[in-house]
Amino acid sequence: GAGVSQSPRYKVAKRGQDVALRCDPISGHVSLFWYQQALGQGPEFLTYFQNEAQLDKSGLPSDRFFAERPEGSVSTLKIQRTQQEDSAVYLCASSFGAGVETQYFGPGTRLLVL
Amino acid sequence: GESVGLHLPTLSVQEGDNSIINCAYSNSASDYFIWYKQESGKGPQFIIDIRSNMDKRQGQRVTVLLNKTVKHLSLQIAATQPGDSAVYFCAENLEGTALIFGKGTTLSVSS
Repeated sequence: GAGVSQSPRYKVAKRGQDVALRCDPISGHVSLFWYQQALGQGPEFLTYFQNEAQLDKSGLPSDRFFAERPEGSVSTLKIQRTQQEDSAVYLCASSFGAGVETQYFGPGTRLLVL
Repeated sequence: GESVGLHLPTLSVQEGDNSIINCAYSNSASDYFIWYKQESGKGPQFIIDIRSNMDKRQGQRVTVLLNKTVKHLSLQIAATQPGDSAVYFCAENLEGTALIFGKGTTLSVSS
């Protein structure tokens, strides 16, 4: 497909479980971003990759959150020992270059931690 | 058409009206601004963008206005249609990295 894809679309986890969320950016896009969107709120930045390099992880809420993009394309956001407050929609976005450019978003993964 | 001077969380209009959605951004150094539309269960969808060296940009049925003096952004939608019903977010971009999203406005269009 031509757009950003994410999987799974929905994830239910028991508190304490680890989860892994996948993002496939638009082919050839250099920059990849992860955002967290709580219900009724705007997306909030988590982390940013330029190719395989994680250049900014200032938005990750705790050391339970970890992201990687080992080959500069697909990215995985991992949350260890999930807590109820982690319940949110996790959005991935990509942009063509490394500068100020339009970010295109995927459909998101809705995570519910019980 | 309906217009909103300050940000309001909801805006209800009739089909065919013009809609104006307002947004205040936070950082005077931001150099790029985007409006996104988000429908229920979907990710934000790009509508239109504007760079800080411009004060107006037009697209198909949409216009974005930027007032850097008061750090204000607006989105105008002409001849609003039921398919325009969604949550609209403005976002600012500083130094080419993270987007900072404003408070969303829920647009409801009745026919």
